[in-house]
Amino acid sequence: AQKITQTQPGMFVQEKEAVTLDCTYDTSDQSYGLFWYKQPSSGEMIFLIYQGSYDEQNATEGRYSLNFQKARKSANLVISASQLGDSAMYFCAMRELSYSGAGSYQLTFGKGTKLSVIP
Amino acid sequence: EAQVTQNPRYLITVTGKKLTVTCSQNMNHEYMSWYRQDPGLGLRQIYYSMNVEVTDKGDVPEGYKVSRKEKRNFPLILESPSPNQTSLYFCASSSGWPTATEAFFGQGTRLTVV
Repeated sequence: AQKITQTQPGMFVQEKEAVTLDCTYDTSDQSYGLFWYKQPSSGEMIFLIYQGSYDEQNATEGRYSLNFQKARKSANLVISASQLGDSAMYFCAMRELSYSGAGSYQLTFGKGTKLSVIP
Repeated sequence: EAQVTQNPRYLITVTGKKLTVTCSQNMNHEYMSWYRQDPGLGLRQIYYSMNVEVTDKGDVPEGYKVSRKEKRNFPLILESPSPNQTSLYFCASSSGWPTATEAFFGQGTRLTVV
């Protein structure tokens, strides 16, 4: 089973509107972290926001917020007031933090959602 | 400014010619790793390092080597590159257990092996 599922291959949003990008995850660990990254057409991976499994508040970073619903295992990214520069691929990723001595801290990524912002 | 720096950004090489992609971070992170990104396959981890002189294989290590002699540097070595190693490569660094709340990537290296 996939550990990270992003069900929306592509999304369109009108400039200045809000948009939600979906992410569900699968883990049996109690301790884990969830990340969102933006990849513009130039290729770099830009870190947007982080949510820890024990964090009681939803993470926010400027126009980005993470709608974390632990029981449903979902970690949706909300972008408010979309801008043309938000057009990019967006990746959800998870790190399982159970310390096993040789733990890899590997980030497991979803397939991504391509967001297009329409003027 | 916190950053992960990879070089080069673009590289075209021939089969069998050894190459090194450098990676350096300025955040004093313990954990560093290399990923490759391929269409339809997403990002896959090649190697990782928990600290100086501690490295281990990720999911796709064949054809690659790494070393971690200093905390800030984690080069990726392709001793005999082949066309199936044509890909977009990322170096990443992050704080370690138990926090691990940051994970930053370098700008990426587009490698073409002909």
